[in-house]
This record gives sequence, structure tokens and C-alpha cells, in this order.
Amino acid sequence: DAGVIQSPRHEVTEMGQEVTLRCKPISGHNSLFWYRQTMMRGLELLIYFNNNVPIDDSGMPEDRFSAKMPNASFSTLKIQPSEPRDSAVYFCASSYDVNTEAFFGQGTRLTVV
Amino acid sequence: EDKVVQSPLSLVVHEGDTVTLNCSYEVTNFRSLLWYKQEKKAPTFLFMLTSSGIEKKSGRLSSILDKKELFSILNITATQTGDSAIYLCAVTTSGTYKYIFGTGTRLKVLA
Repeated sequence: DAGVIQSPRHEVTEMGQEVTLRCKPISGHNSLFWYRQTMMRGLELLIYFNNNVPIDDSGMPEDRFSAKMPNASFSTLKIQPSEPRDSAVYFCASSYDVNTEAFFGQGTRLTVV
Repeated sequence: EDKVVQSPLSLVVHEGDTVTLNCSYEVTNFRSLLWYKQEKKAPTFLFMLTSSGIEKKSGRLSSILDKKELFSILNITATQTGDSAIYLCAVTTSGTYKYIFGTGTRLKVLA
């Protein structure tokens, strides 16, 4: 398996624009996580899906952030409108179930100018 | 509030040295503790610990959990420059699926 695949790897956008980050989890994994990593706050969980259903979105910073998982092999994280403070590395991770370790994708480095 | 604290924040050693990284936690309904290594990009999984006193080992790396004292250590023996990375500790709790991450220990191994 190729592991968790994220795209794009880098994104530079202007403030106010819509940004969509994409993730393909490892085949057969039932749990999918979106994390954000910054120097100041470290790794923070944004949202967690189990069997394509959002279970916990309490980490989503505000209504500008939304996430979907239309099927078992694809998820998106959308920011609309984007702001400079959203600049961070966004990781997607998946695990077989909640009791097993999560595997991380390579991340998307987002810069909002 | 659940929290995970790692120490030291950073460490510089020479090749061949042995290092011990610490992770302490205060959480409700502890389920597991995980160690990850983060080099340039994605954190990569090292160990998952759920039971006290049972050492997990992989090559030069080993880790153990103390659920009474609420901490774990990660040992790296005979360090190499390739061990230079940020080592992250995360704790999971029953009833939620969140990984609560510490801020990490930045290890630099000098040749």
C-alpha cells in the first residue's frame, strides 16, 4: 500500500480564497483524522471520521473549516475563506480502528498570504 | 484538562550516546500511549503501549510505560545521525478517539 496520500503537498493562496485539501486513507482503514501542526500549538486534532461518519469535530477552529468523507477512500478539508492564521501543515492520518496506531500522510503545507 | 508533557524540549548528543526521552501525562480514562518520530514531514509510528512494565523494543529503540506514575520513556542506544528528529508522544483515552500529543522532543545527533 502507498500509505496515506495527501494533495497538494504545498499550497500558497491569498487571504479570502477557498482552499481544499485532499486525503486518500490506507485501504481498509476505518478511521480517518485531520490534524493541523504549527510551531506554537503542535499537533492538534481537527476532526475524526469513523466509517465515513464525522464523530468528533470539536477541534475545528470555526465555521470557515469544513470536512467531508463521501466514501471510504477519500476525504476533503475545506477552508473558506482562508486567513493568514490558517497557515500551517495539515496532516491526514488513518487507522484500522480506534485501537490501532494511526499512519500519517506527508502533509500539506498551507501558506495564506 | 487532559495533557501530555514531554521532556526535554531539545537535546544534542554525539553519535554513540544513549538518550532517554520522557513523556508524562494527565488524562481521564487512559487507553494507550504512542511514540512517533517526525523527521522532515509525516510522523512515523514507533510504538504503542497499553500495559505497564512491558518493554517494547525495535532495534536500538525501546520504550516502557508506567501507568502508576503516569509516564513513559523512549530509549535510543548507540545513537546515529539518522536518529535526529522530533519525537512525539501521544495519549489516547477511552470514549474518544483523539490523540493528545505532547509538544515533542527535538533530538539532534552530531557526527
